Amino acid sequence: DTAVSQTPKYLVTQMGNDKSIKCEQNLGHDTMYWYKQDSKKFLKIMFSYNNKELIINETVPNRFSPKSPDKAHLNLHINSLELGDSAVYFCASSQESGGSQPQHFGDGTRLSIL
Amino acid sequence: AQSVTQPDIHITVSEGASLELRCNYSYGATPYLFWYVQSPGQGLQLLLKYFSGDTLVQGIKGFEAEFKRSQSSFNLRKPSVHWSDAAEYFCAVNTGGFKTIFGAGTRLFVKA
Repeated sequence: DTAVSQTPKYLVTQMGNDKSIKCEQNLGHDTMYWYKQDSKKFLKIMFSYNNKELIINETVPNRFSPKSPDKAHLNLHINSLELGDSAVYFCASSQESGGSQPQHFGDGTRLSIL
Repeated sequence: AQSVTQPDIHITVSEGASLELRCNYSYGATPYLFWYVQSPGQGLQLLLKYFSGDTLVQGIKGFEAEFKRSQSSFNLRKPSVHWSDAAEYFCAVNTGGFKTIFGAGTRLFVKA
């Protein structure tokens, strides 16, 4: 019973394609996140949703579009993939209460652009 | 704006030796502080957290961290490192909103 699950685990595709990554959490949390981790392990917040409402939208190209159909799901769609999009993308969730709650992470989706 | 600094990109420790990983933050008040560990191919896992009260906090896997307000630090320690502790360690800070700032990480190598 994985708490935060992402699919797929690996994604290899060509430049210009469109792809989606799915995330589901079964922890009953209100807040979900997408992070991008580059090759140097630097972790950067991309988006955050609280109760299906977008609350954080960092400086991310508009080719990236998150969608939260319900509190338990947060998907990430990427249009016109570029070489620089190659990274590991992590989904996370937390029971938000003013930042005091830790985040629970999925195992990541490794995206490789050919 | 708040920031988190982990001065050591990587550290090598002999198995059985003690470990200290450094973390400094920049913020006017006391933030919420966290340490996470990331093993290869996995997501981040919470080791411990500090909100208030006792400045020495205990976490999982034998780790502890000490909050020092005067030094704006939250260093992670372990008295005796095991080979399985080899991983990437992240310090993180939240100042009371939805956004958590992560440090750049410290890669721990354990030698036999």
